[in-house]
Amino acid sequence: GAGVSQTPSNKVTEKGKYVELRCDPISGHTALYWYRQSLGQGPEFLIYFQGTGAADDSGLPNDRFFAVRPEGSVSTLKIQRTERGDSAVYLCASSPQQGSNQPQHFGDGTRLSIL
Amino acid sequence: GNSVTQMEGPVTLSEEAFLTINCTYTATGYPSLFWYVQYPGEGLQLLLKATKADDKGSNKGFEATYRKETTSFHLEKGSVQVSDSAVYFCALSDLGDYKLSFGAGTTVTVRA
Repeated sequence: GAGVSQTPSNKVTEKGKYVELRCDPISGHTALYWYRQSLGQGPEFLIYFQGTGAADDSGLPNDRFFAVRPEGSVSTLKIQRTERGDSAVYLCASSPQQGSNQPQHFGDGTRLSIL
Repeated sequence: GNSVTQMEGPVTLSEEAFLTINCTYTATGYPSLFWYVQYPGEGLQLLLKATKADDKGSNKGFEATYRKETTSFHLEKGSVQVSDSAVYFCALSDLGDYKLSFGAGTTVTVRA
């Protein structure tokens, strides 16, 4: 389909391991967002890209989290030295351009479980 | 900062009942307001939006009106169906900003 695609859909790993989560936005969308959703909560903002650059990474919880978007399309969220508290659903969204009134289109998310 | 408070669930209704989910917000600027819905096994989808005061967003029989004086954006539907069973999230994006701030979500179950 033409929606936002996230892979893998599920990831189970051990505490201390490194993980990469991939997001493929809707073609032509310049703005890309990562959110994290814990059980029973709404999504919380992590980082926003406009094109290739991270315009706002204020939501990243600490320096174990990093994201890239080298060609302005696909983005990868990277988590080093994972902890059990990192377990959550990681959501990616894209929009045609930045702007407060632009609806964001969400992927189905990656469910990350740290054992 | 920005925040969204929405009615706690879960909410259980019978088919054809009237649904209201309350949502209030605080924002530093003049936000755009959204309702997103997450059906079982599916991703978040935009349900409706409003970008200025007194605007009414509507979709699939749902409506919400942007009330600046009460900082509210309550979601309503006159006659719910079993297929409306889902988790509903109120969200805002402040003017000049882009990230969404979400409420905690309200789980709605409609029984036949």
